[in-house]
Amino acid sequence: EVQLVESGGGLVQPGGSLRLSCAVSGFTFSSYWMSWVRQAPGKGLEWVANIKEDGSEKYYVDSVEGRFTTSRDNAKNSLYLQMNSLRAEDTAMYYCARGNSLFSYWGQGTLVTVSS
Amino acid sequence: DIVMTQTPLSLSVIPGQPASISCKSSQSLLHTDGKTYLYWYLQKPGQSPQLLIYEVSSRFSGVPDRFSGSGSGTDFTLKISRVEAEDAGVYYCMEGTHLPWTFGQGTKVEIK
Repeated sequence: EVQLVESGGGLVQPGGSLRLSCAVSGFTFSSYWMSWVRQAPGKGLEWVANIKEDGSEKYYVDSVEGRFTTSRDNAKNSLYLQMNSLRAEDTAMYYCARGNSLFSYWGQGTLVTVSS
Repeated sequence: DIVMTQTPLSLSVIPGQPASISCKSSQSLLHTDGKTYLYWYLQKPGQSPQLLIYEVSSRFSGVPDRFSGSGSGTDFTLKISRVEAEDAGVYYCMEGTHLPWTFGQGTKVEIK
């Protein structure tokens, strides 16, 4: 069974940092692009970032470029999102998803709240 | 960035009746590789999104055949032939041709 489990969310002050993790199982992690998608409370979906199978390519939405970094550890079947210089507008549920744009499986999400 | 515009933004449907959602992109979604990367996702209440349709018209594994996708270029449509109670939720189109990928605003489908 394919599983994606996010963790690391929480309450952080503006300007602070958080590191999200996504632990996967049930498929060969190293064979897939992986992505992050977020959803602000009561709002729609926004693609945030993705990373190639071997980590050699990464792409970001403009609003997080230079502040967020995605990475992966294929030996640990884990995906990460390092979020720095957090802003109130980064408050959202963050989902990891399998795929580059074809998001075939999603995690349950981890909530990030940026507030003082 | 590509702007994805969905209509309508909300829909109330009687079970057994058809439903249709339109999605228009601000640029053609035809990729240089010849494919069109247009997806449909459904987010049921309280759940994570799930993939329904990929590359305009291909149903993802396990998706009932009452769901169908069509279109080309900049105009796309998701149709549900006979709506069931379990189809309630918010439907999103998404383009995967031009980075950054962008979603439509979402169409909330309510079952009467």
